[in-house]
Amino acid sequence: QKEVEQNSGPLSVPEGAIASLNCTYSDRGSQSFFWYRQYSGKSPELIMFIYSNGDKEDGRFTAQLNKASQYVSLLIRDSQPSDSATYLCAVNPSSGYALNFGKGTSLLVTP
Amino acid sequence: DVKVTQSSRYLVKRTGEKVFLECVQDMDHENMFWYRQDPGLGLRLIYFSYDVKMKEKGDIPEGYSVSREKKERFSLILESASTNQTSMYLCASSWGLAGAGSYEQYFGPGTRLTVT
Repeated sequence: QKEVEQNSGPLSVPEGAIASLNCTYSDRGSQSFFWYRQYSGKSPELIMFIYSNGDKEDGRFTAQLNKASQYVSLLIRDSQPSDSATYLCAVNPSSGYALNFGKGTSLLVTP
Repeated sequence: DVKVTQSSRYLVKRTGEKVFLECVQDMDHENMFWYRQDPGLGLRLIYFSYDVKMKEKGDIPEGYSVSREKKERFSLILESASTNQTSMYLCASSWGLAGAGSYEQYFGPGTRLTVT
């Protein structure tokens, strides 16, 4: 079973703080990793992808990957109430066609 | 921009009806997927297709079938709708990696299906 685990939350952070979202995966052969944001009642929207160990920054978002620990995280700096959503971690499997998705972490940014 | 469209945002059907959900993508993607999403259960893969006329079962194919006659279009069919198929249905597409796997998947807006 190729599992992707996320804490369901809710993770509550004050406006302006850093939100840290974590994800672990079981498929050691996975090579690419994705973060999606999903607002309530809407479909998932891709916000970041990362292929190599280390950090990748895009605006207020930073994705971090540690393949040895099978761990990927998303940091959101200067969190805004508009960042309140569910964040899905997705992992490309070593075999098969479809990404493996975690169940998501609910983030609440309070003013 | 990648665009994935779905035929309906909201749909209400009666038990036993045959239901067609259509998905169209405009990026010449090889792979297309159908998921359902229910509270607490996350995204569950129903079927996917990696080429025209090619399809494979996902994790929960029972009660569903699919059709892909053209590369840009992937249809999900509920042969005889039941109340436990009330859900949000999401279509996605992606470029394919050689052999297996996917690049990032792009989702359509979703269809909220209610079966009464």
